[in-house]
Amino acid sequence: EVQLLESGGGWVQPGGSLRLACAASGFTFSTYAMSWVRQAPGRGLEWVSAIGDRGTSTYYADSVKGRFTISRDDSKNTLYLQMNSLRVEDTAVYYCAKGTSDSGGIRDDYWGQGTLVTVSS
Amino acid sequence: DIQMTQSPSSLSASVGDRVTITCRASQSISNYLNWYQQKPGKAPKLLIYTASSLQGGVPSRFSGSGSGTDFTLTINSLQPEDFATYYCQQSYSNPMCSFGQGTKLEIK
Repeated sequence: EVQLLESGGGWVQPGGSLRLACAASGFTFSTYAMSWVRQAPGRGLEWVSAIGDRGTSTYYADSVKGRFTISRDDSKNTLYLQMNSLRVEDTAVYYCAKGTSDSGGIRDDYWGQGTLVTVSS
Repeated sequence: DIQMTQSPSSLSASVGDRVTITCRASQSISNYLNWYQQKPGKAPKLLIYTASSLQGGVPSRFSGSGSGTDFTLTINSLQPEDFATYYCQQSYSNPMCSFGQGTKLEIK
């Protein structure tokens, strides 16, 4: 059974930093791309960042580029999101998602339960 | 960037109804379109991928269609557990996959 478990959320002041983690199990982690998607309170889903299988490439939304860093440790089956220079508008539930790309198409087929990040003074 | 626009933003329906939600892309995305269901306080759940393929375990009353820029999600014979918010997602510009703003389906 695929499981994704996020951790590391919490309250932080503007300008601060947090590191989110997503522990994966139930699949061969290293062979799948992974993403972070966030959802501000009462708002829709926003793609934040993605990393290719084995960390081959990284991608960022313009809203977080230069402030957030995505990484993965395939030996620990864990995805990370280092968030620096946090802003009030970064307040959201952050989800990690497993990406599948095959002959059937490209989709995020499994999601974690999310971790809440609150940026406030 | 590819913009995704869903309509309506919300709708009310009754158990047993058939409902259709529309998603439009700002440029052609072929059939790289996914649909997700999200219930309050829960993570999104994949329903449909590549416009019309049903994810395993998803009831057959859910179906998707479309290609190019216009797509639809149809739910036949609404069940109480179907009241949720639905999002489309384009995967054409993978991995930078943008979402629609969501459609909230409420009980009439």
